[in-house]
Amino acid sequence: QQPVQSPQAVILREGEDAVINCSSSKALYSVHWYRQKHGEAPVFLMILLKGGEQKGHEKISASFNEKKQQSSLYLTASQLSYSGTYFCGTEMWGATNKLIFGTGTLLAVQP
Amino acid sequence: DGGITQSPKYLFRKEGQNVTLSCEQNLNHDAMYWYRQDPGQGLRLIYYSQIVNDFQKGDIAEGYSVSREKKESFPLTVTSAQKNPTAFYLCASSMIPGGDNQPQHFGDGTRLSIL
Repeated sequence: QQPVQSPQAVILREGEDAVINCSSSKALYSVHWYRQKHGEAPVFLMILLKGGEQKGHEKISASFNEKKQQSSLYLTASQLSYSGTYFCGTEMWGATNKLIFGTGTLLAVQP
Repeated sequence: DGGITQSPKYLFRKEGQNVTLSCEQNLNHDAMYWYRQDPGQGLRLIYYSQIVNDFQKGDIAEGYSVSREKKESFPLTVTSAQKNPTAFYLCASSMIPGGDNQPQHFGDGTRLSIL
């Protein structure tokens, strides 16, 4: 039931792009994306509700393919501040307001 | 400033002891959650509550207990039945969605260790 995130870790140079994927074996109502810096609380990035929906947040955007039961997070022209662990949280039909989080993707942006 | 306050930041538990982690929010949120995070792992749901005096078990509720006597407060007790309590505990809250879904807001966490 836990969504699978890929890749598990990625190292980038500043200015490079990255894609983080989140796949579920069950039909999804929504997908939340959060970023967590080491030892800190997760910070909300965005929610995607409708199949095919795309949302943007500065240079971070995401898509949600309801049919494929997956979401992707796109980080473009990465900055040092983007470093951290990214989690997707999935909400299933019939179990709304309860998130199941993926195992996370560690992103390290180097100068 | 509105937010979620977790205390203490660090907590040590002796064998056979129950300990209680505090979580208070002043965001007027209806729903509150407790998660456990182990090193290099995602967040696993322990308990959640959508309304005062009501709560539901999450995926790993064994060895934990909660109460929701006030809207603002959702304390978590780690009982002696929880044999491996060492972890980072995160409390979160959200509005109950009336239309669009609502994000969860997290506290700064409590790091619990066994003595």
